[in-house]
Amino acid sequence: QSALTQPASVSGSPGQSITFSCTGTSSDVGGYNFVSWYQHHPGKAPKLMIYEVSNRPSGISNRFSGSKSGNTASLTISGLQAEDEADYYCSSYTSSSTYVFGTGTKVTVL
Amino acid sequence: EMQLVESGGGLVKPGGSLRLSCAASGFTFSAYFMNWVRQAPGRGLEWVSSISGSSNYIYYADSVRGRFTISRDSAKNSLYLQMNSLRDEDTAVYYCARVEGSGSDATYMDVWGQGTTVTVSS
Repeated sequence: QSALTQPASVSGSPGQSITFSCTGTSSDVGGYNFVSWYQHHPGKAPKLMIYEVSNRPSGISNRFSGSKSGNTASLTISGLQAEDEADYYCSSYTSSSTYVFGTGTKVTVL
Repeated sequence: EMQLVESGGGLVKPGGSLRLSCAASGFTFSAYFMNWVRQAPGRGLEWVSSISGSSNYIYYADSVRGRFTISRDSAKNSLYLQMNSLRDEDTAVYYCARVEGSGSDATYMDVWGQGTTVTVSS
């Protein structure tokens, strides 16, 4: 199972919106609405930000939103804040009942 | 408060073995699929293995199949990962995670531990 493809890095100024992608195949991202997104600060536990493409867990800011078209999912962070600076990983449940993560995107707040 | 605490990491020589544990609290452990996920130095997250609440369903990544064994003990609210024939490339922080989902599918990881570090080196 190959990792999902994400851009290595994305940056933005405070208050701006950024969007980055997560590309897979019809066996994972494109085949199911089971894409999730995780925020990971080095040395800490990953944190669920979005599940099932576009749902936010309780307590997650509505500045975070997710979408999907075909084999590509996207995460948008609106009103970028310094605390959003982290690594972000997408993940998809697959046709083999396994999980695959994306390559990760480092978000930098300028 | 839902919590997962990993333990058992350490330094081991190539070819050696190690057993990781994950202690769960604050939720009905036996009702959930559980995952092991790892992150090698400078690399991204990698799913390692999954086990259903009843232990009837077990899955492994190709990179560890035949060397790692996942198990759980609901009486102790604990998840385990027995790692044998360890290789340099198994060096990583290992996280346990609770798996949640809609309907009958367990598709996303909503509770994570802080991780335990495994270093494979001679």
